[in-house]
Amino acid sequence: ETGVTQTPRHLVMGMTNKKSLKCEQHLGHNAMYWYKQSAKKPLELMFVYSLEERVENNSVPSRFSPECPNSSHLFLHLHTLQPEDSALYLCASSHNVGFSTEAFFGQGTRLTVV
Amino acid sequence: AQSVTQLGSHVSVSEGALVLLRCNYSSSVPPYLFWYVQYPNQGLQLLLKYTSAATLVKGINGFEAEFKKSETSFHLTKPSAHMSDAAEYFCAVSPNYGGSQGNLIFGKGTKLSVKP
Repeated sequence: ETGVTQTPRHLVMGMTNKKSLKCEQHLGHNAMYWYKQSAKKPLELMFVYSLEERVENNSVPSRFSPECPNSSHLFLHLHTLQPEDSALYLCASSHNVGFSTEAFFGQGTRLTVV
Repeated sequence: AQSVTQLGSHVSVSEGALVLLRCNYSSSVPPYLFWYVQYPNQGLQLLLKYTSAATLVKGINGFEAEFKKSETSFHLTKPSAHMSDAAEYFCAVSPNYGGSQGNLIFGKGTKLSVKP
């Protein structure tokens, strides 16, 4: 149990579907993150939230839409995705943003776009 | 810009042998450094981190890493590999200067295989 829970663990969706990924942290952290992990590529930081405010958006296409309703929950809304968006999407949290703060990761959602 | 390079996408060792996974960083100011491990179908778990205290850092599961400023390296070692060490290992850097968000930047990862 890492303290960061992601649902669903696996998701298959068509290019015209709309779905959402959910992340919940039980650690009392103030910062939450979405990462994308593709085969043979480094982990890509997508979004950073600190105290429910988005503080970083790394040139992510608009077909990915994050939402952070409170400091314990983070969503990633997906619509009209492309096959190249298939990847493992990892949520993480940390006490605060930045510097020596270590991140705690969820188990990820394996997304397949068909 | 900060970056981290992991030499070798795949390392194979025999059970009981030394494990050495290499990580080099590029930064004008020594950053904070981390090693994470990812087991199959799991998220990332922190093994150890360097935050400018002792240069030799001990982590979980018998792993340790040494920060060498002159070599801009932070290699991960374990004296004796165990079958359960088979996983993918990621080195990460977090900038250590004002004006930076300080977010983690990851290397491409090194997959460790352990042979019986």
